[in-house]
Amino acid sequence: EDQVTQSPEALRLQEGESSSLNCSYTVSGLRGLFWYRQDPGKGPEFLFTLYSAGEEKEKERLKATLTKKESFLHITAPKPEDSATYLCAVRGANSKLTFGKGITLSVRP
Amino acid sequence: NAGVTQTPKFQVLKTGQSMTLQCAQDMNHNSMYWYRQDPGMGLRLIYYSASEGTTDKGEVPNGYNVSRLNKREFSLRLESAAPSQTSVYFCASIGGGPFANEKLFFGSGTQLSVL
Repeated sequence: EDQVTQSPEALRLQEGESSSLNCSYTVSGLRGLFWYRQDPGKGPEFLFTLYSAGEEKEKERLKATLTKKESFLHITAPKPEDSATYLCAVRGANSKLTFGKGITLSVRP
Repeated sequence: NAGVTQTPKFQVLKTGQSMTLQCAQDMNHNSMYWYRQDPGMGLRLIYYSASEGTTDKGEVPNGYNVSRLNKREFSLRLESAAPSQTSVYFCASIGGGPFANEKLFFGSGTQLSVL
């Protein structure tokens, strides 16, 4: 059965303090690992899609990496506006798309 | 390009009532999904349709039924609503080949309260 585990559940950072969010997964036939950001009361906002181990993608202060067992979302010099819940999901060979529980990030000014 | 259209945005039901949530996408996507989101639980998959003509159970299918009416439309039905089904529901779709730069497109969500 496909599983996605995100850690930590919550993370509090000082503005400018870089860190990483972890997404561990098991899936039969990976057809994509997705990162989304979600603000309270809003729908998920797309960040990245990764397909194969070793792949990396960057957008502003965010960088996503992928191995065969996990993905990391690195946040460099975060700002208060980066505060949100970050969701990770995997799509398997059967097209089933499973999300983790999310990581709530708070960045203090 | 409208993307994923989900209706209604809000709904209040009494226990035992039935309703159908509608979802349509205009991006010619093969796969469509229904999720529910509760505080601290992330997005939990209710049902999904990998392609037109197929549907499969997700993590939390009990109390729900789905219909993939055609390639565009994927509806979710609550036959006898229960308070435990109070949640925010999202429809989503995705398409393209295995190495295309895909992303999952979401509807705007339905806030459902069952009293």
